[in-house]
Amino acid sequence: QQQVKQSPQSLIVQKGGISIINCAYENTAFDYFPWYQQFPGKGPALLIAIRPDVSEKKEGRFTISFNKSAKQFSLHIMDSQPGDSATYFCAAAGSTGNQFYFGTGTSLTVIP
Amino acid sequence: GAVVSQHPSRVICKSGTSVKIECRSLDFQATTMFWYRQFPKKSLMLMATSNEGSKATYEQGVEKDKFLINHASLTLSTLTVTSAHPEDSSFYICSATRNYEQYFGPGTRLTVT
Repeated sequence: QQQVKQSPQSLIVQKGGISIINCAYENTAFDYFPWYQQFPGKGPALLIAIRPDVSEKKEGRFTISFNKSAKQFSLHIMDSQPGDSATYFCAAAGSTGNQFYFGTGTSLTVIP
Repeated sequence: GAVVSQHPSRVICKSGTSVKIECRSLDFQATTMFWYRQFPKKSLMLMATSNEGSKATYEQGVEKDKFLINHASLTLSTLTVTSAHPEDSSFYICSATRNYEQYFGPGTRLTVT
């Protein structure tokens, strides 16, 4: 059973546009929601994370929007750049932090 | 952010041999580390949770006798792929948790010929 559902599977965005990736979860015990960025042949790197006590978190061009009632959260990449082309994974974790559930990943391509 | 290293980054071995992959947390102590396997263009598949000083916890379907995990210290966990076969070829990634955040190593590309 997929604990975290991620969409779309792939995304193509024009340079300067907004990239939006969505995730949904079922378990209301989750209280930590990170996003990871992975380039080919590299390990995932933590990009930005949010806890359910806030509805939005922004770091530079990256923003997480969180809807607790809908059990959904999304990553917005503003002014997308070719260097943002990578695979993005959302995840959810519970209070112990010892069990992370990952989405299936979104392959983002930003075209010049 | 915290730094996690893996060694080697890439290894090619013959079928039937064993390969050891090391995962180190460089600037923090990690009582728990995780081992993942990733197939091309696929998500991360958790193989096992490595606990310092105790036995690893394996996910369903992962052969514990084939994928030996040792977490001998607070900064080192090792994954040994025993009697490797071509189907074990994959990208193996470790991670460690610090302050609720999970930090990944750069991954190890294993190719079994």
